[in-house]
Parts: sequence; C-alpha cells; structure tokens
Amino acid sequence: GQQLNQSPQSMFIQEGEDVSMNCTSSSIFNTWLWYKQDPGEGPVLLIALYKAGELTSNGRLTAQFGITRKDSFLNISASIPSDVGIYFCAGQYNNNDMRFGAGTRLTVKP
Amino acid sequence: NAGVMQNPRHLVRRRGQEARLRCSPMKGHSHVYWYRQLPEEGLKFMVYLQKENIIDESGMPKERFSAEFPKEGPSILRIQQVVRGDSAAYFCASSPGDGIGYTFGSGTRLTVV
Repeated sequence: GQQLNQSPQSMFIQEGEDVSMNCTSSSIFNTWLWYKQDPGEGPVLLIALYKAGELTSNGRLTAQFGITRKDSFLNISASIPSDVGIYFCAGQYNNNDMRFGAGTRLTVKP
Repeated sequence: NAGVMQNPRHLVRRRGQEARLRCSPMKGHSHVYWYRQLPEEGLKFMVYLQKENIIDESGMPKERFSAEFPKEGPSILRIQQVVRGDSAAYFCASSPGDGIGYTFGSGTRLTVV
C-alpha cells in the first residue's frame, strides 16, 4: 500500500516558537489530513485538505496540499504548552482508504 | 472523540486468552475502521468494515485476529490466544462514507501478561 514519510520524528521547541512538519508519499492522494493525538486519547482531526495547492488555516495552524498531490505540510505558529502531542498526517486516495504517517512528537518547553 | 465509543478502555489478558474489543460508531456512521498503535509508533490500518461486510482486511494478521460489524450492535475486534506482541492500543474510527475523514474513539489499551 501507499507509504507516508513524516518528518521530523520529534521536535523540542520553546514556547512561542513556530513549528513546521511535513509528509511525503510515493503515491498521490486525493485528500490530506492532519490529526493530533493527546496522551491516552485517540487522534482528533485538525485540518483536511481536498485540492492540490490548497492552503487552509485553523487558528494558529496552517496546512497545505502539495501541487504534486504527494506531499503536505503543517505549520503551527506561536506554540503554546497545550500544543504538546503527536501530530499525524494521513492520506486518503478514495473515500475509504486512509493511511497514516508515523507521527511527529512535539514537546513545548514553557 | 465523544461520538465513537470504545470499550473497555483498558484490557489485561494472560497469554492464550481471548480479547474482545468493542466499538460503537457515531450515530449515522455505517463504516468502521480498526487501527493498531504500538508504543512510540504510528497507526497501522487493520480492517475496514461496513454493516455485515468486511471490505478490506489487508492489515489484519492472517491468524488469531478477526473482526465483525453485525447488523445490530457494535463492531467487535477479536484476538484469540493472545501473545505478548499483541499488547498495543487499538483504535476504532467511523465515517459516514463520504470521504471527509474519520472520527476516532479513545482506544482500548490491551496488555498481555
């Protein structure tokens, strides 16, 4: 199946800094999604992207669907302690086939 | 997460016992997906089901694992004769099938001792 490469694997940043993470794939996707997982909980959808080139914001989060349909990035501006968690990218080719990256573990130091 | 209900939240089984994990999808969702997450790793797809049908089980181990989503009641992921390597968090997600991403439950953490 499709393989997603997510980087970086982990990040340690100071509160207030901006964060950037990305995902690449060997295959194209029709939809890119970004999820956040808090400890002991399931992933929660942050942003969904449906068109190549699309740039979408949700508060301090901004994500883009790459033109080639094989990549996406997520930016978090002005990080705060509650941003701590694991961020997963996910690619969806058809309506019911979604695959996840390995995650980016974010630690924010106050 | 509140819409997709998984139980139990934590399950401890001895080697060789059976584990049954339950998932009630969000109201109106007829598509259910099971994922496994090992410690410090991402989510691995296991199986995709619609009511009474298995659509894609390409991520399920060939032995000891089975899944069902009956006409009435929750979806069940069943692991027979559990081994220590089955210890993981198992997440269920549901969707209405319109491709707008999935809603996940809070997971069942299985520990095999």
